[in-house]
Amino acid sequence: NAGVTQTPKFQVLKTGQSMTLQCAQDMNHNSMYWYRQDPGMGLRLIYYSASEGTTDKGEVPNGYNVSRLNKREFSLRLESAAPSQTSVYFCASSEADGLGYTFGSGTRLTVV
Amino acid sequence: KNEVEQSPQNLTAQEGEFITINCSYSVGISALHWLQQHPGGGIVSLFMLSSGKKKHGRLIATINIQEKHSSLHITASHPRDSAVYICAVFWGSNYKLTFGKGTLLTVNP
Repeated sequence: NAGVTQTPKFQVLKTGQSMTLQCAQDMNHNSMYWYRQDPGMGLRLIYYSASEGTTDKGEVPNGYNVSRLNKREFSLRLESAAPSQTSVYFCASSEADGLGYTFGSGTRLTVV
Repeated sequence: KNEVEQSPQNLTAQEGEFITINCSYSVGISALHWLQQHPGGGIVSLFMLSSGKKKHGRLIATINIQEKHSSLHITASHPRDSAVYICAVFWGSNYKLTFGKGTLLTVNP
C-alpha cells in the first residue's frame, strides 16, 4: 500500500542511548517532516525537509538530528536520549504545494 | 507566531446528532487541514482548505479567510466517528504545519 512507513513502532531506551527512527514514503513527495506528539501539547514540528538535499529546524529541534538520505527516506536521530524525549513521533510527507499530506503510523518512544 | 485554537476540547454526542468543531487562527494562512486521529492510531488528513467549503460523505469543512475561522461538521454522527479531530494550518511557501490541540469527540450509541 502506498504511504509513509515508519520503523520501529515501539522503542524503549535508557537515558544516554542513541537510536535512529526510519521513515520512507513511496508517493514521490518532495517534502518530508518529523513531528512529536505530547499530551496537552499537540503535535510540534522537529525538523523538515522541503526537498532532497535540504533540511531545516522546526519548533523543537534540540536533541535531534535528521538526514534526508534520498527523496524517499528521512531519518530522525537521537544522539543521547533523555526522558524529555519520551513521546510519540510521526513522520509525514507532502507534495510541494502542501497537497497529499500523509502521516506515518507513529513511533511510541519511552526513555527511562 | 501563529496560534491555532480549537473548541470545544471535548465533545460528547448521541448517535445521529449534528456535530460542529471550530478552529480559529491568529494570522493569515495559505491553507488549513482537518485531521482525524483514532485512539492509539495514526493521523489521517480529512480535508485541505484554502477557501470556501468541501464535503466528503458526512463530513463538511468550511473556512472563512477574512474571519480566520474554520469549522468541521459531521452530519448524522456515528460511534465510529469517535476520534480526536485536529486543525492544522500552514502559511507562506513552506508546508510545515502548526496544530491545534485537538477536539476529542465521543459519539455514544
